[in-house]
Amino acid sequence: DSGVTQTPKHLITATGQRVTLRCSPRSGDLSVYWYQQSLDQGLQFLIQYYNGEERAKGNILERFSAQQFPDLHSELNLSSLELGDSALYFCASSPRTGVLSSYNEQFFGPGTRLTVL
Amino acid sequence: DAKTTQPNSMESNEEEPVHLPCNHSTISGTDYIHWYRQLPSQGPEYVIHGLTSNVNNRMASLAIAEDRKSSTLILHRATLRDAAVYYCILLGSSNTGKLIFGQGTTLQVKP
Repeated sequence: DSGVTQTPKHLITATGQRVTLRCSPRSGDLSVYWYQQSLDQGLQFLIQYYNGEERAKGNILERFSAQQFPDLHSELNLSSLELGDSALYFCASSPRTGVLSSYNEQFFGPGTRLTVL
Repeated sequence: DAKTTQPNSMESNEEEPVHLPCNHSTISGTDYIHWYRQLPSQGPEYVIHGLTSNVNNRMASLAIAEDRKSSTLILHRATLRDAAVYYCILLGSSNTGKLIFGQGTTLQVKP
């Protein structure tokens, strides 16, 4: 158990709909990262928040948005869903941001499996 | 962040050592070498990281070439639980911590 929780575990929805994925980081971790894993694209970084502020952006579609709340939990919102959005969505957390000589490993949650029909 | 090259797949026998190679010929002097692995049906997990010197922890060892253009993750005694996809990732000093995953190496461990 990494200490990172994600809800829901599974989500089945239809094209055109909107969903929200939730992530609770490990206690004390300030950084939250979102990743998408699909069969054809592999693991892709989407976006990072640090202490409530967006810190880095990857291949995140405009239909997707995220935020980190004052209690440090994060939500990933996916709208106008398409079949191709079906994937595993992972959240990870780490104590800090940046690459330091000291320890800043990322702890991944179990993921949310999204199926768009 | 510089690119890494790993073999697509490797096989090992249980209880034997495994050496997983990673080439990163364009690595810069301040790039950290990180290894993560993803067990079946789980999220990735951190394995080890290093900068210049070889590193050991309870999971594995990381051997870094003197010119830093390659590195090797060493599992000293493979178990069936070590069957996973192993990712070698470089993080530049200006990186915020985000991980850019390549294809990784799928390790199969035979009993």
